[in-house]
Amino acid sequence: AQSVSQHNHHVILSEAASLELGCNYSYGGTVNLFWYVQYPGQHLQLLLKYFSGDPLVKGIKGFEAEFIKSKFSFNLRKPSVQWSDTAEYFCAASGSARQLTFGSGTQLTVLP
Amino acid sequence: GAGVSQTPSNKVTEKGKYVELRCDPISGHTALYWYRQSLGQGPEFLIYFQGTGAADDSGLPNDRFFAVRPEGSVSTLKIQRTERGDSAVYLCASSRGQGLETQYFGPGTRLLVL
Repeated sequence: AQSVSQHNHHVILSEAASLELGCNYSYGGTVNLFWYVQYPGQHLQLLLKYFSGDPLVKGIKGFEAEFIKSKFSFNLRKPSVQWSDTAEYFCAASGSARQLTFGSGTQLTVLP
Repeated sequence: GAGVSQTPSNKVTEKGKYVELRCDPISGHTALYWYRQSLGQGPEFLIYFQGTGAADDSGLPNDRFFAVRPEGSVSTLKIQRTERGDSAVYLCASSRGQGLETQYFGPGTRLLVL
């Protein structure tokens, strides 16, 4: 069965700290990977996506993620977080079917 | 341009009642998706439309749930004989419907079944 795992449920950081959120997937065949973010009171927005090509993907607001096929991972990184990055982050995957399979989410709290 | 819109934003109903949730996709998007998000979980797929037809309804939990998209634009998710376990945020997303692409999400409808 297809699945996405996010092992960090809640991460608390101070401003300027570096961020890495873990995401592992279990998918047969070709996989497409996404990170979505949900800021407080807002709807889900796409941060970045990987379909093929360069495994290091850069997204909006200074976020990046690296697809490591051998580890079935697609971790999200940011070198220096800001208070405005406080949000819930969801990793998601799709395969030959178009629907997304989401992880359970990681709540990031950045302390000013 | 306008994003995906969903109405109502909140719905409170009693167990056993019937509810309809509406989704207006981004203009020109032919693909439309419904997801359900329970507290503390990520969204779970329910059904996907390409145009007017349901291309994949494998995520619908049982026959109390069904959805329509009669003109290939607005979609309605219908829940019969609601149960307390149906309480969740129901999310709609749309995309252009042309292969690998981004799904754009609406704000969701928060359903509470008492």
